[in-house]
This record gives sequence, C-alpha cells and structure tokens, in this order.
Amino acid sequence: EVQLVESGGGLVQPGGSLRLSCAASGFTFSSYWMHWVRQAPGKGLVWVSHISSDGDTTNYADSVKGRFAISRDNTQNTLYLQMNSLRAEDTAVYYCSRGDRYWGQGILVTVSS
Amino acid sequence: DIVMTQSPDSLAVSLGERATINCKSSQSVLSSSNNKNYLTWYQQKPGQPPKLLIYWASTRESGVPDRFSGSGSGTDFTLTISSLQAEDVAVYYCQQYYSTPVTFGQGTRLEIK
Repeated sequence: EVQLVESGGGLVQPGGSLRLSCAASGFTFSSYWMHWVRQAPGKGLVWVSHISSDGDTTNYADSVKGRFAISRDNTQNTLYLQMNSLRAEDTAVYYCSRGDRYWGQGILVTVSS
Repeated sequence: DIVMTQSPDSLAVSLGERATINCKSSQSVLSSSNNKNYLTWYQQKPGQPPKLLIYWASTRESGVPDRFSGSGSGTDFTLTISSLQAEDVAVYYCQQYYSTPVTFGQGTRLEIK
C-alpha cells in the first residue's frame, strides 16, 4: 500500500525556518518525481515545488523561490522541504504528492508571532 | 505561467441531475509529441487531500465511478458528473501539468440544490 506521511509542521515566527519531511512507502520512491502542494486556510491548491526522481532537477513557484529548498533522500525514501524566511502568507497545509493519485494527509504550517 | 480559470465558482445541482464544470487554460496544454492533454481533475472534500478523478483530460482514474467524465482539448475542458450523488459534494479543481509551474484552477464548489 502506497503511503506518504508528512511531518515537521507547526507554529513558527515570521522570519523563522522549518523543515518538512515526507516519508514514502509502498512504491519505488527513487523512480518518481515528487511534489509539494500547499493550501492556505479556506483557499485553493497551490503547487510549491517538485523534484526529479534522481534529485537533479528542481523547480519552485515564484512565491517561494530563494526561500524554500526541496530535496530527497532515495536511500531513506524521504522527501524534504526546507522553508526559510517564513512569512504569514506561507501559512497553509502542505501536502506531498507523487503527482498522481497519491497524496499525503497534509501537515499544517502556521507562521505567526 | 499558464493560468487556469474554472467556471462557475460554485454550483448547486439536484440529486440525480447533471453537473458540469468548465476549465479554461490561458495556453494550450495539448502536447504535439504525444497528442495528450496535460490536464487533470481533482475532487477535494473538507479535511481531506485531493483525490485524482481524471488525467490526460479524459482518462478516468481506477476506482472512480463512471458518472464522472472529462472532455475537451487544447484550452477548453469540462468535468461532467452525469447523475449527482450526495457524496459528490466537494470542491473540484482542474490542474495543468504541461509546463512548470504546475497550476491549478481556483476551484468550483459543488453543492446539492
């Protein structure tokens, strides 16, 4: 059974940092591009970033470019999102996704003083 | 960036009736190399991650009831629910994955009349 489980969310002050993790199981993690998508409270879905299966290619939404970094460890079957210089507008539920039917349950990140 | 615009923003349909949601992209998402439209439809219920319904604009994901269908090509797409059931109350999103950044429509809220 495919599972994606996010962790690492929580409350952080503006300007602070958090690292999200997404533990993958039930499939050959190293064969898939992976994505982060976020959803602010009561709002729509917004793609944040993706990374190629080997980790060599990454792309970001303009709103997070230069502040967020996506990475992966194919030996540990884990996807990461390092989030720096966090702003109030980064407050959202963050989902990791395989880009198809498989999504995690999401993890809440709240940026507030 | 490709802008995805859904219409209407909200929709109320009687049980057993047809529901139609439209999605228009600012540029074509049809690939000339494989003649596929890089367009998906997701359903999202409160507190849940999105659920993949349709990919390649018209291919129904495994396990999705056949009352859900997708159509269209190029820049204009439609999600149709042929006979609305109570469990179909949700927000529906189209998404293009033809080019980076991946972009979503703003969502259409579907309710029972």
